[in-house]
Amino acid sequence: EIVMTQSPATLSVSPGERVTLSCRASQSVRIYLAWYQQKLGQAPRLLIYGASSRATGMPARFSGSGSGTEFTLTISSLQSEDFAVYYCQQYNTWPYTFGQGTKLEIK
Amino acid sequence: EVQLVESGGGLIQPGGSLRLSCAASGFTVSAHYMSWVRQAPGEGLEFLAVIYGDGRTYYTDSARGRFTISRDNSKNTVFLQMNSLRTEDTALYYCARGNDNGGSDYWGQGTRVTVSP
Repeated sequence: EIVMTQSPATLSVSPGERVTLSCRASQSVRIYLAWYQQKLGQAPRLLIYGASSRATGMPARFSGSGSGTEFTLTISSLQSEDFAVYYCQQYNTWPYTFGQGTKLEIK
Repeated sequence: EVQLVESGGGLIQPGGSLRLSCAASGFTVSAHYMSWVRQAPGEGLEFLAVIYGDGRTYYTDSARGRFTISRDNSKNTVFLQMNSLRTEDTALYYCARGNDNGGSDYWGQGTRVTVSP
């Protein structure tokens, strides 16, 4: 099973800041990496697929990069609605696996 | 409009069985891979099972041998039969649609399963 490790676990940031979240895979997943946003009490929402492609309707302030084992999600200027938990997920190899999540908190 | 609506959760004793349903609308389930994902209280997301358009099914270690994913094309519904339930199966269970380009692009609201004596 491919283990996905996200860092940091929690990030305290202010609205308007630029933030970068990291995700590392225990072995190469090529570019088969997705990012999700989950707000409290809601289902996850797909943000990024293929490591860098924005899902339909996702704002341009969200961007993804990386390949192989190292990936990042960048939010260029945090909006109030972006405070949530973010998960990466590999779909290169079954079982598909999620990272443990990074929680963005308001500073 | 694409929608997924889960049902069938509830309170069940250890060792019991439940059958979860995921009714889809706005697309055909047999044209996508469909997954069941769960989230224990305060925890992260965990894949359980997937069924592909051609009918192939795959399970994680947590689900293999106890859970069965299936599909009824006539009802456009995906199921998760869960047997021999344990207290650690307590979670919110989501079904999700596989995106053609990767990831899961539509999720239901989840159905809660509580396994308790």
